[in-house]
Amino acid sequence: GAVVSQHPSRVICKSGTSVKIECRSLDFQATTMFWYRQFPKKSLMLMATSNEGSKATYEQGVEKDKFLINHASLTLSTLTVTSAHPEDSSFYICSARDSGLAYRETQYFGPGTRLLVL
Amino acid sequence: AQKVTQAQTEISVVEKEDVTLDCVYETRDTTYYLFWYKQPPSGELVFLIRRNSFDEQNEISGRYSWNFQKSTSSFNFTITASQVVDSAVYFCALSESYGSARQLTFGSGTQLTVLP
Repeated sequence: GAVVSQHPSRVICKSGTSVKIECRSLDFQATTMFWYRQFPKKSLMLMATSNEGSKATYEQGVEKDKFLINHASLTLSTLTVTSAHPEDSSFYICSARDSGLAYRETQYFGPGTRLLVL
Repeated sequence: AQKVTQAQTEISVVEKEDVTLDCVYETRDTTYYLFWYKQPPSGELVFLIRRNSFDEQNEISGRYSWNFQKSTSSFNFTITASQVVDSAVYFCALSESYGSARQLTFGSGTQLTVLP
């Protein structure tokens, strides 16, 4: 149980294009999902908290218009990197917290998406 | 503010050796949760354990064991008889217990390399 998928796993795009990354909780419902960014040999940096049915909460320094987050259902959150530039190249990881009472405190992570912007 | 410190950036051991990964945390909360995650080269973070601040019992799961010491704010992780497949980056994390977000604060991670 507690499986989170991410799609695509790897994407290469040209500068100026937009890229959408999907995060799905496959066997549980998640009212809250999180989006992280990770640079090589670094820890995870929280970008935003995605709340089902409401606006995402962004961390300081993260551009809301640059990284659009939509959490349309209890099992799906999307991150769209708009007008991507080479500095947006990174490893993006999502996580989901099981809304069920027993496992509410644990975040389960997706496999990540490697984005390369040329 | 919450903080998690993993002072060991990289550790290298030979297969079958025991290894302990250190984790020290800071929080003002009296109720909180501690976690360990494993990140193999593939990149996915694998959940290993969650510990409630009120539960100081040590836990053992196969070759893995965890030592939670509230008095020293530490939550150390020991791998017994290490194997090559244990090579990964290990992250310790802390979560507050209140508030709807309950975000994770991660340590900087420890790169463990197990040599054959």
